Formats: sequence, structure tokens, C-alpha cells
Amino acid sequence: NAGVMQNPRHLVRRRGQEARLRCSPMKGHSHVYWYRQLPEEGLKFMVYLQKENIIDESGMPKERFSAEFPKEGPSILRIQQVVRGDSAAYFCASSPKTGGHTEAFFGQGTRLTVV
Amino acid sequence: DQQVKQNSPSLSVQEGRISILNCDYTNSMFDYFLWYKKYPAEGPTFLISISSIKDKNEDGRFTVFLNKSAKHLSLHIVPSQPGDSAVYFCAASEGQAGTALIFGKGTTLSVSS
Repeated sequence: NAGVMQNPRHLVRRRGQEARLRCSPMKGHSHVYWYRQLPEEGLKFMVYLQKENIIDESGMPKERFSAEFPKEGPSILRIQQVVRGDSAAYFCASSPKTGGHTEAFFGQGTRLTVV
Repeated sequence: DQQVKQNSPSLSVQEGRISILNCDYTNSMFDYFLWYKKYPAEGPTFLISISSIKDKNEDGRFTVFLNKSAKHLSLHIVPSQPGDSAVYFCAASEGQAGTALIFGKGTTLSVSS
């Protein structure tokens, strides 16, 4: 049983480009969480999704960021018109049940660098 | 405003000794606390948790203590091993079923042999 898979592991984008980060949850998991870790900081919650639904997006920046978790395929975190301040490690976690955050497994993260 | 604080950025301990990592929180609504361990270039790995109805939870070499009146928790690792060298994050949530974990900034533990 493969763990949570995130790709790419490293992503370099120029300012103004779009970044797409993908997260495939563990088999049997239908709940996905996205976190961002800025340099020298802890992980900060961004969004919680179930299949085809956004449950809690209270941590998402109001502009340029969006997330989806379609019925088929991975969850996508999309950042439009990236700026240098978006450079961070983005982690995805998945769990098998509602509110099962404490049983969530994290992926290895995508390190986004904006140049 | 940081709701979960890990005031020691780093800790160095000799192999075989006890490591004590500390964490303070400000939100009295938090009632579930977790510790995660993170190696470089990897995602966080769940280590141990504690509910606010308890004041201690033990799992092998790892014990978490919770002092609700002081809004303080600590992770004890004994005996410490070189493989324990990693960044340790304290996290909190409002209930085990809470949707968002609030993380501290982490403490880097170095265990020397």
C-alpha cells in the first residue's frame, strides 16, 4: 500500500507563472488536507477536501490559490501568478474518515521555488 | 499570533540520556495534542498524541505529559538514540475530529553518540 504521493517533489516557477501541485492520497482515503511550511516556520493549514467537496478552506489565501479533489484523480493545489513569497514546502495529508486528522498520513511534500 | 509555541529551536542530547521537548499553547479550546517527527526532505510522521482528559500518554520510549492549567505539554524520549535526531513539531486541535491542526515552529533534536 503506497503512501501519500506528492508530485513533483521540486518545482521551480518564474514570477507570474502558475504552479500545480498534485497529491494522490493513500488507497482507501477520501479526505485530503493541504499544509504549507514557510522557511523557519511550522506547518500552516490551508484547506481540507473530500471527494468533490471543499470542507474547510479557512487557511487558504483569498486570491490566486485554489484546490480541488475530483471524483477521479489526485487532489490539485493550484497557485496562479506565483510570487516569491509563495516559495515554501507544500504538504498533503490524507485520512480515511471525517475529521480523522489524527490518523492522517503526510506525503513527502512539494518544494516550490519562485524565481 | 502564535497559538502553539515551541520556544526552543534546538536541543542537543547525548545518546542514552533523556530528551525533553516543550510546547506551550494559548487557545483554551484546544483539547487534542499531537507530536510529529520530521526528517529533512520528508513529510511529518505522527509520533504520539494526548487528549485533554488525560495528563500522560506513553508509547515505548516516548511519553507526552499535559499540564492543562499551565497550557503546557512536553515530550520525553528516553533513552534517546541517534536515530531520534529530527525536527519535532507540536500540534493542537479542537477535538480529535477537528479539521485543522495548529503547528508550532518545531524543535530540532540532535542526539550524539
